[in-house]
Parts: sequence; structure tokens; C-alpha cells
Amino acid sequence: GESVGLHLPTLSVQEGDNSIINCAYSNSASDYFIWYKQESGKGPQFIIDIRSNMDKRQGQRVTVLLNKTVKHLSLQIAATQPGDSAVYFCAEKKNGKLTFGQGTILTVHP
Amino acid sequence: EAQVTQNPRYLITVTGKKLTVTCSQNMNHEYMSWYRQDPGLGLRQIYYSMNVEVTDKGDVPEGYKVSRKEKRNFPLILESPSPNQTSLYFCASSSGPLGGQYFGPGTRLTVT
Repeated sequence: GESVGLHLPTLSVQEGDNSIINCAYSNSASDYFIWYKQESGKGPQFIIDIRSNMDKRQGQRVTVLLNKTVKHLSLQIAATQPGDSAVYFCAEKKNGKLTFGQGTILTVHP
Repeated sequence: EAQVTQNPRYLITVTGKKLTVTCSQNMNHEYMSWYRQDPGLGLRQIYYSMNVEVTDKGDVPEGYKVSRKEKRNFPLILESPSPNQTSLYFCASSSGPLGGQYFGPGTRLTVT
């Protein structure tokens, strides 16, 4: 069936390094892809999104890349900080229906 | 302050006792949605609503009902809760179907 998945369940980086979190998706008809951050005990927090007709979008310290040829989505975080430690989810949206990936745990070591 | 609120935040109940989890947003958003989050299964969409009086099933609608009588509120109803509905529930809203969603703080439900 349709699914959104993640390559790595955990990622550990040093403070100041760049982080790259990857996501593979299988529904080529999705309109829209979103990255969320979830800290312990809180609801998911929107980070950045990208429409299916784009291949790159930048925000503050974050960049999302979309490669439709290989159905791959990535989130790049520049100069990772301890406050970036959280679970990161990719999600795909089609006609209001949102499907989440399993999540990647990012741990930033000072 | 723009926010999504859910009540209650914690609830312990027994099998078969009807309950409602309320969700309210103050951002005049058209789109609202309910999710459950379970270890190993991630976040799964239960129901969503594109506007008042318009609701659609997500991936796991069985055992749940919703209503959208007014724009700001989107309650989740469990007519006859069962232990497999023990979970962490999140409500979310956005300005449209392609908007990034604002999530509520979550409701932890335990059904014994």
C-alpha cells in the first residue's frame, strides 16, 4: 500500500554540525510534503513544507529537498543545536489526507 | 495567542463508557484533523474536516465519530471505547488542505 518511511530511526550529531534526515515515500500522487518536529511531551510542530512541483525550499536553518525521480525527501538542518534534539517526522498530503512516516530521533551532543 | 486546545489532557475510563474529547482552534482555520499516536506505529489520521459540516475518514476511523457544526470546534467521540483505543490523541488545524498544521498539546487516553 501507500506509505511514507524513513531510512534511519536515529541520528546523533555534534553541536554545530549539519544534520540530514531522510524520508522515502511511495505515493507519487501526493500534493504536498511536510516536516514536523516533536519534542518530548508535546504535539508535532510544523517546520517546513514543499509542494510537489518544487524540488527545494529553504527556511531559517532548514532546507527541504524533494527528489520525485527516486521519491525521496530530506530535511537538512544547518549548525545543529541541542534544542534541535527531537523526533522528526515527514508527512505527505493528498486531498486533505495526511500520512506520516515513523519518525527519526535526532540527538545533538554538546 | 494562536492555538489549538484539547480537553481533557488526560483521561482514564472504562470499556463501553462514551466519551468526547474536545478540540478548539482560534485561528479561523477551515481544515481540522484528529490523529492518534502509538509506539511503533507513529501518527495515524483518524478523521479530517475540510470545512463546516464536511468530514472524511482518515486511515483509522473505526470506533470513532466526529462532528463539525462550527468552524472552531472539532470534537472526537468514542461511543463505546475499547482498550485498543488507549493512545495519545492529537487535534490539528490549518488554513487549508495544503497548509502546515498547528497541533494541540495532546490527550492521553487510557481505556481499561
